[in-house]
Amino acid sequence: DARVTQTPRHKVTEMGQEVTMRCQPILGHNTVFWYRQTMMQGLELLAYFRNRAPLDDSGMPKDRFSAEMPDATLATLKIQPSEPRDSAVYFCASGSSTGGLHTGELFFGEGSRLTVL
Amino acid sequence: GQNIDQPTEMTATEGAIVQINCTYQTSGFNGLFWYQQHAGEAPTFLSYNVLDGLEEKGRFSSFLSRSKGYSYLLLKELQMKDSASYLCAVRGADSWGKLQFGAGTQVVVTP
Repeated sequence: DARVTQTPRHKVTEMGQEVTMRCQPILGHNTVFWYRQTMMQGLELLAYFRNRAPLDDSGMPKDRFSAEMPDATLATLKIQPSEPRDSAVYFCASGSSTGGLHTGELFFGEGSRLTVL
Repeated sequence: GQNIDQPTEMTATEGAIVQINCTYQTSGFNGLFWYQQHAGEAPTFLSYNVLDGLEEKGRFSSFLSRSKGYSYLLLKELQMKDSASYLCAVRGADSWGKLQFGAGTQVVVTP
């Protein structure tokens, strides 16, 4: 069945290392979101793409985070250099915006659990 | 910006009913969503309201009052598997599709 696929599922790294997380959205979906979830902050929106174009990355620390969508089947979130405070679960979600009023529910991947030591 | 408030935790007995309230303040409004998230898993979509009133889906119902900035999720005939976090999310009018989430309400179902 159709689902959002994220890799890696778990990542442990040391402070200062580069981390890249990947997401394959559901085929046919044209919106892709990156969220970060921590106990303290809940689900925070980091970046948002529609038709592969970045629409909103205001929630993302620009000095170390970058998000791209090189093609319709791949979205990436990169952290360089990583810091302990980046430890969180990073979720990718995709949806469909086809114009007009629509449900627009988001489908979430299983998440990438990042631990920065 | 958006401010979304919901209780942190609720406890109820198996077979009972629980109502989770959500209040929001937004600069625009284009729909309210409820998601369920089990520990260690991804959020999954439960319900959507864009017009005032009640939407019923089996044991789950969701209500919206746009004038009051208020929604609730009603869980009936609670089962142990309903123990999870329930997230209220609002779609504002500024960005198509973007959802702002509340902190979530942890529902604990006891035998």
